Amino acid sequence: EAAVTQSPRSKVAVTGGKVTLSCHQTNNHDYMYWYRQDTGHGLRLIHYSYVADSTEKGDIPDGYKASRPSQENFSLILELASLSQTAVYFCASSDETGQDTQYFGPGTRLLVL
Amino acid sequence: GQQVQQSPSSLVLQEGENAELQCNFSSTATQLQWFYQSPGGSLVSLLSNPSGTKHTGRLTSTTVTKERRSSLHISSSQTTDSGTYLCAPPPNYNVLYFGSGTKLTVEP
Repeated sequence: EAAVTQSPRSKVAVTGGKVTLSCHQTNNHDYMYWYRQDTGHGLRLIHYSYVADSTEKGDIPDGYKASRPSQENFSLILELASLSQTAVYFCASSDETGQDTQYFGPGTRLLVL
Repeated sequence: GQQVQQSPSSLVLQEGENAELQCNFSSTATQLQWFYQSPGGSLVSLLSNPSGTKHTGRLTSTTVTKERRSSLHISSSQTTDSGTYLCAPPPNYNVLYFGSGTKLTVEP
């Protein structure tokens, strides 16, 4: 079973502050993703990566940066957190072909005040 | 990007009843996945079905690619099936676009 962990599990941030969400996977997957989920809605893709030291923009990248320093780790960075970024953030990973399923982390609940 | 519509948005059943969930999407999908999100928020993949019919346990998915639709049938529902069911038909292999989901409540 694929293992994807996220830290922190929850965070309260102040508007204008910097927030870093971390994701770690132990399954040697090439692809990693960051999604956000707003209450009552599906997930929306923010950034993804298919190789270390490279990231790609998803559907809603504005206000977010991503970093993939190694195959196992993928971070999401909010340089200037805003109220509208309050959401639950999920990290996921999948194998190189993309035919396999995506494995999700437990999510990080972010509240920006 | 891919537009995804799921229906119904919510569904309440008595234990033992069957559920039929629908997913319609705007662009041809190379892969279609159904996910389950627990009331606590965790996400797990249920099955992948790009076309045709696929069974796993009490779940049956039927995808008609040219009509851009998929369904998920849950037979003999149980209270533990309660949660939100999300479909994700990507336009390419690795970028998933999710629907808003169907919230299923199974009452004892």
